[in-house]
Amino acid sequence: QQQVKQSPQSLIVQKGGISIINCAYENTAFDYFPWYQQFPGKGPALLIAIRPDVSEKKEGRFTISFNKSAKQFSLHIMDSQPGDSATYFCAASNQAGTALIFGKGTTLSVSS
Amino acid sequence: DGGITQSPKYLFRKEGQNVTLSCEQNLNHDAMYWYRQDPGQGLRLIYYSQIVNDFQKGDIAEGYSVSREKKESFPLTVTSAQKNPTAFYLCASSRLAGGPPVVNEQFFGPGTRLTVL
Repeated sequence: QQQVKQSPQSLIVQKGGISIINCAYENTAFDYFPWYQQFPGKGPALLIAIRPDVSEKKEGRFTISFNKSAKQFSLHIMDSQPGDSATYFCAASNQAGTALIFGKGTTLSVSS
Repeated sequence: DGGITQSPKYLFRKEGQNVTLSCEQNLNHDAMYWYRQDPGQGLRLIYYSQIVNDFQKGDIAEGYSVSREKKESFPLTVTSAQKNPTAFYLCASSRLAGGPPVVNEQFFGPGTRLTVL
């Protein structure tokens, strides 16, 4: 119930294309869903986050789509660039000050 | 510059040794966390603390210990009881929001890579 399942494990996209990463959860008490971007050897950086009272949130080229009934959320990266090549993690939590439950990550490679 | 610092960046441990990883934050955050990252895995919680002198075990606390004597500091000790300590260790912090909506926006440090020799 505490798991967050992330897919695909790896993704190759051409420059200018759309990258889509999906996550699914079971615990309906989760109320905060962030996405983190991590470059090799660095700590994760918060990219964008959403709460279940909205179905979509957009920040620049990054969009989260949220489907509460299906218990799924996804990250869309529009106009993907080589600089977007990184590992992306989805996460979920239900209470401030407690653990984020992370998916296992998606390694994105954007080819030029 | 506000942020989270971790030291050292690289750490090598011999079998049977205890080692301590440092984590400091100047964000005035109440909560601090330690996560472990292994290749191909997500981040897994070791310990977290919401207030000075109090901390809670996460999913994989065995073989680790922590202290929280100051709000800005949350060191992690990897003891000899941790049988497979080679991993990338990440410290994070967050505020405990004063009112709704309550979020859990966690900010991460640069990490410490621990290798057992």
